[in-house]
Amino acid sequence: GQQVMQIPQYQHVQEGEDFTTYCNSSTTLSNIQWYKQRPGGHPVFLIQLVKSGEVKKQKRLTFQFGEAKKNSSLHITATQTTDVGTYFCAGDQAGTALIFGKGTTLSVSS
Amino acid sequence: NAGVTQTPKFQVLKTGQSMTLQCAQDMNHNSMYWYRQDPGMGLRLIYYSASEGTTDKGEVPNGYNVSRLNKREFSLRLESAAPSQTSVYFCASSGEGPRGPQHFGDGTRLSIL
Repeated sequence: GQQVMQIPQYQHVQEGEDFTTYCNSSTTLSNIQWYKQRPGGHPVFLIQLVKSGEVKKQKRLTFQFGEAKKNSSLHITATQTTDVGTYFCAGDQAGTALIFGKGTTLSVSS
Repeated sequence: NAGVTQTPKFQVLKTGQSMTLQCAQDMNHNSMYWYRQDPGMGLRLIYYSASEGTTDKGEVPNGYNVSRLNKREFSLRLESAAPSQTSVYFCASSGEGPRGPQHFGDGTRLSIL
C-alpha cells in the first residue's frame, strides 16, 4: 500500500548540535506536511510544502521538499531542550487522505 | 478557542464492552478524522469524513464504526472492544480536506483489559 517512510526512528543529540529527519514516498506527493508531538501531547501542525524544490524556514527549522516531490527533510540548527518530541511528516497522495510517517523521536541532553 | 475537543480523556474497558469516543470541533471545518497511535507505529487512519454526510474507511477500520452527526461532531464507536484496540485515539479536523493542515484534539487514552 501507499507508504511514507521516515528515518531515523530515534535520534539523540547534545544541546547545540544539529538534527535532521528525512521522509520518503514511493509515489509523488501533492503536498507534504510536518507535525511535532511533544511527549504526552498531540500532534501540532508545523508547516506545509507544496512546490517542487520548495524550502521554508521557521527560526532554527528548515524544511525542504524534493524536486521530484517524493522526499522531504526537516533540519533543526543548534537544537535546544525545547525541541524534544516526535516529528512526523505526512504526505498527500492526491485523492487520498494524509499518510503519516512513523515519526522521528528526538531527545536532547543539556 | 477550544479547537478540537475529545471526550473522554481516559477510559478503561473490559473485553467485549462497547464504547463511543466523542469529538467536536468549533472551527467550521468540513473534514474530520479518527487516528490511533501505537508505540512505533505513528498515526494510522481509522475513518475519515471528508464532509458532512460522508464517511470513508482508512487504513485500519476493522472493529470500528463512525458517525458524522453534524458538521461539528464525529464519533467513533467500538462495538465489542478487544485488547488489540488498546491505544491512544486522536480526532482531527481540517478546513481544506487532505490537502490542508489538520488540527488535533488532546486524545483519548483507552485501555482494554
